[in-house]
Amino acid sequence: SQQGEEDPQALSIQEGENATMNCSYKTSINNLQWYRQNSGRGLVHLILIRSNEREKHSGRLRVTLDTSKKSSSLLITASRAADTASYFCATDVQGAQKLVFGQGTRLTINP
Amino acid sequence: EPEVTQTPSHQVTQMGQEVILRCVPISNHLYFYWYRQILGQKVEFLVSFYNNEISEKSEIFDDQFSVERPDGSNFTLKIRSTKLEDSAMYFCASSEIQGARRVYGYTFGSGTRLTVV
Repeated sequence: SQQGEEDPQALSIQEGENATMNCSYKTSINNLQWYRQNSGRGLVHLILIRSNEREKHSGRLRVTLDTSKKSSSLLITASRAADTASYFCATDVQGAQKLVFGQGTRLTINP
Repeated sequence: EPEVTQTPSHQVTQMGQEVILRCVPISNHLYFYWYRQILGQKVEFLVSFYNNEISEKSEIFDDQFSVERPDGSNFTLKIRSTKLEDSAMYFCASSEIQGARRVYGYTFGSGTRLTVV
């Protein structure tokens, strides 16, 4: 699998439900970040979790990180139609000055 | 809230022409980046820049690409002779800090959509 690979590739749920997206990566990291992208627009940083952290919350977002499995998950609780977007995980690779992005999950929230 | 500004938002150019994409990073940031995203695909790293020099570049960033910080505020990406496959959204990003000390993510601009015809 590729560095920063998300699953599912697409997710469609009803408003009010929770959405969970997963990300796997291959290398050692300083941190892992999640970004959101509305169609054709820029990338908006959502949350960063450092390699020595296991869980982090921000509003309706919850991120977990398991460095032994090289995986992370993003949970959006009580989803809203406005959460419809693509979500990308990105790894801040140790020893490098770059982010490596995954393929993204396209999330659709149905009203 | 501080923003990364990119201009133009959309540029159409003929194959073989030179293009310069412009970015104004956040003023107190020290690290600058260019990424690109071909339509429907993932975001790919091109180059990182610190202390007026390239600190890392990807395989995509070949001799046709160059970056410059000409005046202490702008950060530009030049493609010398564009190819059809250079058509993509190009994102500039900046950050205050790099590596293990990072607590905030990068700030990305809204992107320049480059179309090579």
